[in-house]
Amino acid sequence: GGIITQTPKFLIGQEGQKLTLKCQQNFNHDTMYWYRQDSGKGLRLIYYSITENDLQKGDLSEGYDASREKKSSFSLTVTSAQKNEMAVFLCASSIATGVDTQYFGPGTRLLVL
Amino acid sequence: QQKVQQSPESLSVPEGGMASLNCTSSDRNFQYFWWYRQHSGEGPKALMSIFSDGDKKEGRFTAHLNKASLHVSLHIRDSQPSDSALYFCAASEPGNTGKLIFGLGTTLQVQP
Repeated sequence: GGIITQTPKFLIGQEGQKLTLKCQQNFNHDTMYWYRQDSGKGLRLIYYSITENDLQKGDLSEGYDASREKKSSFSLTVTSAQKNEMAVFLCASSIATGVDTQYFGPGTRLLVL
Repeated sequence: QQKVQQSPESLSVPEGGMASLNCTSSDRNFQYFWWYRQHSGEGPKALMSIFSDGDKKEGRFTAHLNKASLHVSLHIRDSQPSDSALYFCAASEPGNTGKLIFGLGTTLQVQP
């Protein structure tokens, strides 16, 4: 088995601030994902990466940057936090194929004051 | 329009009862379906996947797929209070990206 670790668990930011969320996996999976979960809106894909140094935009990439410098880690940056924003950011990983199960981390809860 | 639609939005069943959750896709490119479960404060966890027409059973959970109507359902037999959670249906296209499209979820409450 493996585990996905997300840091920090909680993140409180100020409007306009750049915020970075980190994700580590020890599954040795090739593909990693960042999702945003808002109440009542399900999970929406922000960025994904099919291998080290690869980045692919999802449906919600505007306002975010991502970085995959190592196979085991995937970072997400909120480039300018929006006032009163509140969401959970979920990291996931899977083996490279399109029919493989995605394994999720516990999430980072963001609140912007 | 949401490409993966789930119903009902919320569901309450008594302990020991049967819970039935539904999911419909509007995109015929979607060939593969998953059910994920998310307990409060945790990340989603995959329950089961289904790719072929018909039923797939894993313990108390049975998924049913009808590719012609793009409808997939999840039935939970002998529901337990620990089954209380948010359930997501997710779908993907053939390919090697693993990109999933999630529905908005069904909240299941199992009453002791």
